[in-house]
Amino acid sequence: KNQVEQSPQSLIILEGKNCTLQCNYTVSPFSNLRWYKQDTGRGPVSLTIMTFSENTKSNGRYTATLDADTKQSSLHITASQLSDSASYICVVSAYLGGQNFVFGPGTRLSVLP
Amino acid sequence: GAVVSQHPSRVICKSGTSVKIECRSLDFQATTMFWYRQFPKQSLMLMATSNEGSKATYEQGVEKDKFLINHASLTLSTLTVTSAHPEDSSFYICSAKETSGDLRGQFFGPGTRLTVL
Repeated sequence: KNQVEQSPQSLIILEGKNCTLQCNYTVSPFSNLRWYKQDTGRGPVSLTIMTFSENTKSNGRYTATLDADTKQSSLHITASQLSDSASYICVVSAYLGGQNFVFGPGTRLSVLP
Repeated sequence: GAVVSQHPSRVICKSGTSVKIECRSLDFQATTMFWYRQFPKQSLMLMATSNEGSKATYEQGVEKDKFLINHASLTLSTLTVTSAHPEDSSFYICSAKETSGDLRGQFFGPGTRLTVL
């Protein structure tokens, strides 16, 4: 069964600190993995996307890694800001004659001053 | 990057009425659009996949007669919630996939908050 798990479910950190969010998946055949940021009451916004051959991808203070062998991905946020408070969603795509997107439950991050 | 808009952003209606939500890809063509529903503190749940010029494909448990989807052009898909009830109150989000064939291109709209009284 295609599934995406994320941990932790929620996380509270102080402004300026770093944090790492985890994503484990059992999606096959793997096409690509995306990390999205969703602010409360808004649609998700893409942060990074990685295909099978990519191990790491950065977007400003966000760095995603992918280990296709262990089927794990992480999103590292450096020098967190108050505006980083949001839900972070891991989405894995399987190519089954068309794109099939499997959503993780998300990690809710709160950055406190 | 590609922009997807939704209208309205927020709607309040009485129970039993129908509500139409529009999803537009503003600067690219989308043969495929997706409709999601999101309840508070939960992740997005795919409701249906909409392909331009053909009938939508609904996920299991989603009533196609209640959630009418029309994808009449490469830039517009509409979701109509018919005979809405309070339990239909939710955050509805669409996304659009580029026709270029780039597997990377799924862009989300800002969402529509539906409240049924």
